[in-house]
Amino acid sequence: DVKVTQSSRYLVKRTGEKVFLECVQDMDHENMFWYRQDPGLGLRLIYFSYDVKMKEKGDIPEGYSVSREKKERFSLILESASTNQTSMYLCASTPSRGNQPQHFGDGTRLSIL
Amino acid sequence: SQQGEEDPQALSIQEGENATMNCSYKTSINNLQWYRQNSGRGLVHLILIRSNEREKHSGRLRVTLDTSKKSSSLLITASRAADTASYFCAPGGAGNNRKLIWGLGTSLAVNP
Repeated sequence: DVKVTQSSRYLVKRTGEKVFLECVQDMDHENMFWYRQDPGLGLRLIYFSYDVKMKEKGDIPEGYSVSREKKERFSLILESASTNQTSMYLCASTPSRGNQPQHFGDGTRLSIL
Repeated sequence: SQQGEEDPQALSIQEGENATMNCSYKTSINNLQWYRQNSGRGLVHLILIRSNEREKHSGRLRVTLDTSKKSSSLLITASRAADTASYFCAPGGAGNNRKLIWGLGTSLAVNP
């Protein structure tokens, strides 16, 4: 079974801090995604990566950056955390071939105080 | 990529009853996927139906696809309390599923 592991289930940080969210997948998938999920707004794509060192902006990239130095790891960085970035963050991966399901991690619930 | 819209937004049923959720989309698709999300967890893939298929089964799940009406339905038969979750559809275009746009889902509550 594919396993997507997010480094923390719960995280509390302060406004202005630089925050790193890590995601690791064990199935050699080319595509990796970062979403945030908020009540009433659903799941929104922040960034995705289709290969090592490659990235594309999703629908809401402002205030975020990403890093993909190795195929299995995709990091989401909040450069200077703000309270409106309090949310549930979900990482997913999928192979590049054909139409394959996205495999999700369990999420990180991030609170910015 | 395009968004699927699930209907109803919320559904409450008794254990043993069937639950039907619907999904509509706007343009042509290559496939459509259904996912489930338990409260506070990530999404789990349930089933993928291709555009040339009309119906697909997996255990107690039955998915139909009507490309002429641009709609799909997910039927859960003989529901259990453990089926309580949110359910999302994701229409997929040609090529790989690099980007899926997610709707708000259907929140299903199965009461014991």
